[in-house]
Order: sequence, then structure tokens, then C-alpha cells
Amino acid sequence: KQEVTQIPAALSVPEGENLVLNCSFTDSAIYNLQWFRQDPGKGLTSLLLIQSSQREQTSGRLNASLDKSSGRSTLYIAASQPGDSATYLCAVGGDAGKSTFGDGTTLTVKP
Amino acid sequence: SAVISQKPSRDICQRGTSLTIQCQVDSQVTMMFWYRQQPGQSLTLIATANQGSEATYESGFVIDKFPISRPNLTFSTLTVSNMSPEDSSIYLCSVRTAADLTIYFGEGSWLTVV
Repeated sequence: KQEVTQIPAALSVPEGENLVLNCSFTDSAIYNLQWFRQDPGKGLTSLLLIQSSQREQTSGRLNASLDKSSGRSTLYIAASQPGDSATYLCAVGGDAGKSTFGDGTTLTVKP
Repeated sequence: SAVISQKPSRDICQRGTSLTIQCQVDSQVTMMFWYRQQPGQSLTLIATANQGSEATYESGFVIDKFPISRPNLTFSTLTVSNMSPEDSSIYLCSVRTAADLTIYFGEGSWLTVV
């Protein structure tokens, strides 16, 4: 059974700082890995999707990497802004189309 | 991409009653899922909604408590039956598209049972 762990559970940084969120998974036989953002009182917004054959994906100030052999993914946020404050969730996708979610990292960016 | 509409967005329900949540997608999708997010926790998969047949439930979830329908490729419903305060959660519909294999979520249905 796939298990997904996100570290740290919470992170507080000053505005402008670069930061890294971590996601680890126990079964390396994954189909893809997706990072989501969840704002309080809202649903989930997809940020980046990495297929199992890819090493990284970039979108604006966000960069996600994937190392299947070590069971790890990182989400790098450059030049953080207060608007980046949210909970970030990592979801590991299996062949059956189902995904296993981590518990999330709650990020607070202070002005 | 896929745009998902869920109804209701929020509801307060009495203990012992049932509520049906609807999920409508703006395009045909291969896979539809229902997740639950309890307060302060991450998402847990309830079941895979299969078109024209019975849903596939995850361990800990049963059809009598969470009956699911999917009459076509763009619509599904989840019913939370005989509700108790422990059922107070966000219920999220999710789809996976064949085109780009991305997972999309609806805004969720915020359910409070009193």
C-alpha cells in the first residue's frame, strides 16, 4: 500500500525567501505525481503534474522534481509572496487512476 | 482541462438524514472519484465511480453508507446516508482526463451534521 509523507507539516518564512517542500512515497511504481494547492475554505487547485518518465516540471516561480528511485519529490517556490500562503498537497498516482495524498504542508509567507 | 461543478457547496444537516451530492463535469472523462477530507486531515478516497455499474469502494467505506451513481461520462452522485456528526467533512469529486492525465477537483461540498 502506497504511503505518502510530507515534511515539514508547517512552514513560516519571510516574503522573498526561496523554499522547498518535500514529499516522499514508499512504492516507486508510480504513474505520476501531482502537486496541489488548497486555500482555506476552498477546493484543490492543480499546480504541477510530473509523469513517471519525467524528472521535473516548471510553472512560473514553481519547480517540481521527481526522483522515483529514492521515492521523493520536491516543490521549489522561488521568491515567495504572501499570496503563496496555503496548504500544499502531494498526490502520488497509481495505474488504476487512484491517487494517494500526503497530509500537506501549510505554508505561511509573512510580509 | 476539466471544470467540475459540485452541488451543494455547503449544507447543514440533521443527524439521521441523508444528503446527495452532485458532480457535473464539462467534458467526458475516463475516471471519476469521490474523496472525503475530514477536518484538519488530508484526502481519503471513498470510491471510484464506474459508469453504468456499481462503484468500487475503498477499505472502510461501504455502499449502504455511501451509495454512488454514475449514469454517464460526465455526471455522478454521492449520497451520505443516515448521517452522524462524524460525517461532517468536505466531500470532493475528482476526475482524471484521458487527454493529459491530470487530476482535477471540484470545489467540494462542505457538510456539517448537527
